[in-house]
Amino acid sequence: TQLLEQSPQFLSIQEGENLTVYCNSSSVFSSLQWYRQEPGEGPVLLVTVVTGGEVKKLKRLTFQFGDARKDSSLHITAAQPGDTGLYLCAGPGGGADGLTFGKGTHLIIQP
Amino acid sequence: ETGVTQTPRHLVMGMTNKKSLKCEQHLGHNAMYWYKQSAKKPLELMFVYNFKEQTENNSVPSRFSPECPNSSHLFLHLHTLQPEDSALYLCASSHSGREETQYFGPGTRLLVL
Repeated sequence: TQLLEQSPQFLSIQEGENLTVYCNSSSVFSSLQWYRQEPGEGPVLLVTVVTGGEVKKLKRLTFQFGDARKDSSLHITAAQPGDTGLYLCAGPGGGADGLTFGKGTHLIIQP
Repeated sequence: ETGVTQTPRHLVMGMTNKKSLKCEQHLGHNAMYWYKQSAKKPLELMFVYNFKEQTENNSVPSRFSPECPNSSHLFLHLHTLQPEDSALYLCASSHSGREETQYFGPGTRLLVL
């Protein structure tokens, strides 16, 4: 089974600060996805990274896939209260279908 | 119509009850999934259906029984559950395989007493 470790587990910062959260594995993934989940809702896809070393930007969010395709990071610039949520990374699992998820990072942005 | 809907949103049941969770997707997708989300644990894949055929059963106890009558509907039948089965049950769909974007429903919050 391929495992994804996310850190930190919890993060609470002030509005306007920058932050980075990490997703690491000892296994190589063909792709990694980042989702955000808000209370009472299911996860919503933010981005998919496919190529080692790839960097993708989504407004204030910057996603990076490690060169060896074993890790990924999400950097948020000038965090806003609307960024609050559970950030999950996921990749194709060991089985035929479905995704393997990390435990997630609970992010709280305080006004 | 919202992409993936789940009913009920909340369910409380005793250990001897039988209940069913329903998921419906309006996206024209061919693959549907059940995941379990518990506190302090990663999202766990339970079942996968691709073109109505079950392609994965991730060692799930037999007290959980999935049913996929067509590509748009997915059910999870529950019977004689245990308190540790209390969790958020999420349904998702994708066009076909796992490499593609999965669209999740809002989940059913289940409490087993």
